[in-house]
Amino acid sequence: DGGITQSPKYLFRKEGQNVTLSCEQNLNHDAMYWYRQDPGQGLRLIYYSQIVNDFQKGDIAEGYSVSREKKESFPLTVTSAQKNPTAFYLCASIPGQDNYGYTFGSGTRLTVV
Amino acid sequence: AQKITQTQPGMFVQEKEAVTLDCTYDTSDPSYGLFWYKQPSSGEMIFLIYQGSYDQQNATEGRYSLNFQKARKSANLVISASQLGDSAMYFCAMREVNTGGFKTIFGAGTRLFVKA
Repeated sequence: DGGITQSPKYLFRKEGQNVTLSCEQNLNHDAMYWYRQDPGQGLRLIYYSQIVNDFQKGDIAEGYSVSREKKESFPLTVTSAQKNPTAFYLCASIPGQDNYGYTFGSGTRLTVV
Repeated sequence: AQKITQTQPGMFVQEKEAVTLDCTYDTSDPSYGLFWYKQPSSGEMIFLIYQGSYDQQNATEGRYSLNFQKARKSANLVISASQLGDSAMYFCAMREVNTGGFKTIFGAGTRLFVKA
């Protein structure tokens, strides 16, 4: 079955460490997104990509980086510059049509220790 | 600026009854889409229903319907015949077509508790 796979499910980061969250989709969707969710809040857009080798910053891109070398893959790196990275991270994708809802992965919960 | 407001942090409903989750939005784009998502305790977001700004009829998907009142900028979700499995967080979301990129903004969510 088609879908989005995020890994790992839980991730622990030490202070000053970079970590990479994986997002892979087999839906043949063109556009992919990374959102951050904090307790009691909605989702905030970090980065998005509409085509391979191209991506744009979202509302809270500082301290994060992404790449889109393959259509299926959109990894997110949380760098040491991100001062408050503890959150739930969700990856999503969509075929290129406005009337479609996102398909989401199951998320990665990142905790700074 | 685009904005989504969900004023109900938590709602309780008796099993088999209907419940309405409120959502208001603000946008200056005449072309936009409104969405509702469900987030169970597992964390994965599930797309429930879509309403386009030019759609004349309210959207329905099974037990879900969207009460779209364009002049009031309201897009409430109605769940009929609630089930225990409906207990979850529900997010209202909006996408402005002219912004491009299929970007979507989300409200803060409403937690629904279904009582047996």
